[in-house]
Amino acid sequence: AQSVTQPDIHITVSEGASLELRCNYSYGATPYLFWYVQSPGQGLQLLLKYFSGDTLVQGIKGFEAEFKRSQSSFNLRKPSVHWSDAAEYFCAVGAGLTGGGNKLTFGTGTQLKVEL
Amino acid sequence: EAGVTQSPTHLIKTRGQQATLRCSPISGHTSVYWYQQALGLGLQFLLWYDEGEERNRGNFPPRFSGRQFPNYSSELNVNALELEDSALYLCASSIGLADYNEQFFGPGTRLTVL
Repeated sequence: AQSVTQPDIHITVSEGASLELRCNYSYGATPYLFWYVQSPGQGLQLLLKYFSGDTLVQGIKGFEAEFKRSQSSFNLRKPSVHWSDAAEYFCAVGAGLTGGGNKLTFGTGTQLKVEL
Repeated sequence: EAGVTQSPTHLIKTRGQQATLRCSPISGHTSVYWYQQALGLGLQFLLWYDEGEERNRGNFPPRFSGRQFPNYSSELNVNALELEDSALYLCASSIGLADYNEQFFGPGTRLTVL
């Protein structure tokens, strides 16, 4: 069974500073990896995804993530954080049809606070 | 293009009652997923429907059930409500069966059980 670990429950950064949110996954085959963002009281918005190919993926809002198979990691980065980036961020892994049917397994989330 | 819609936005029930939550997928999407986001438990997969059939189910008791209609909209029913069923219920949709399809989420229904 797949699992996702987000070791940082809360992170605080200053506006304009760089950001890295950590995500480690456990899955036997090549995973499908996602980062979602959730603002208070809202649903989830997809930031970026990795299915295959280039291990550095670009997403919306200036975010990027790098898939590192050797470390089972898929960390999210942004070079310069904006106050509007304050939200909760979720890393997720999908197993695909052969691995149990398209369900997403989520990490526990990282709450990002941005100081002005 | 309209996104995934869910109704109602908020639902308040008492213990033992039944709750019905509704979801309309993005036009052209045939798969609908339900997730529960409960305080302290995170986001957990509940159910997956595609082309009217239940394709996969998470680790939830049978009192959580649902269905998918011919127009691909879906209902989630929770019977015999318990206090711990209080949560945000998120619906997502994707383009049918393929090895992996990106899921698009709705805004959720906040269920409160008193």
